[in-house]
Amino acid sequence: QVTLKESGPGILQPSQTLSLTCTFSGFSLSTYGMGVGWIRQPSGKGLEWLANIWWDDDKYYNPSLKNRLTISKDTSNNQAFLKITNVDTADTATYYCARIVNYGTPFDYWGQGVMVTVSS
Amino acid sequence: DVVMTQTPVSLPVSLGGQASISCRSSQSLVHSNGNTYLHWYLQKPGQSPQLLIYRVSNRFSGVPDRFSGSGSGTDFTLKISRVEPEDLGDYYCLQSTHFRTFGGGTKLELK
Repeated sequence: QVTLKESGPGILQPSQTLSLTCTFSGFSLSTYGMGVGWIRQPSGKGLEWLANIWWDDDKYYNPSLKNRLTISKDTSNNQAFLKITNVDTADTATYYCARIVNYGTPFDYWGQGVMVTVSS
Repeated sequence: DVVMTQTPVSLPVSLGGQASISCRSSQSLVHSNGNTYLHWYLQKPGQSPQLLIYRVSNRFSGVPDRFSGSGSGTDFTLKISRVEPEDLGDYYCLQSTHFRTFGGGTKLELK
């Protein structure tokens, strides 16, 4: 059974760095073809893809946010991470992590999401 | 960057009726390997998105055959026949040929 769960700080101030953790089970990021992606959704708005990391440590970022994003993984502990630097109120959203099986395939299993608020 | 345009933004339907959602991309979604990476999701209120259709027309595990996807190149359609109450929510297309981009969403609601 594949499960993913996101965790984060809940609230942070503008200009700080947002650190998110995705803890998953039912698959391994050391398995050929596996990947984890991060997606966010401001309240009442649509979905925005942020970044993917793959079994071989290959990484892809949304070009519009690339300078602020860093994705990484800890294979032994079944975790993936996302950092967003210099946050502002526009980064207030629910952040999801999701599994990908092979390049090009969709996000098939999603976490429940974690809400992050940026406020002074 | 690939832009995904979904229409309509809102789609009122009657239970038992049919719904059709369009997704258009700003460039072809045919990958160099010949595959077309266009997928569809449903997000019910208060829930995470759930995968319905992958690679244009393939239903994900457990998805009823009331859902069907079609299209090619830059134009794609999701059809829902015999709409049931659990089908209501926000629908999104996703392209994963050129990085990843979601469409803006279509809200399926009762007429």
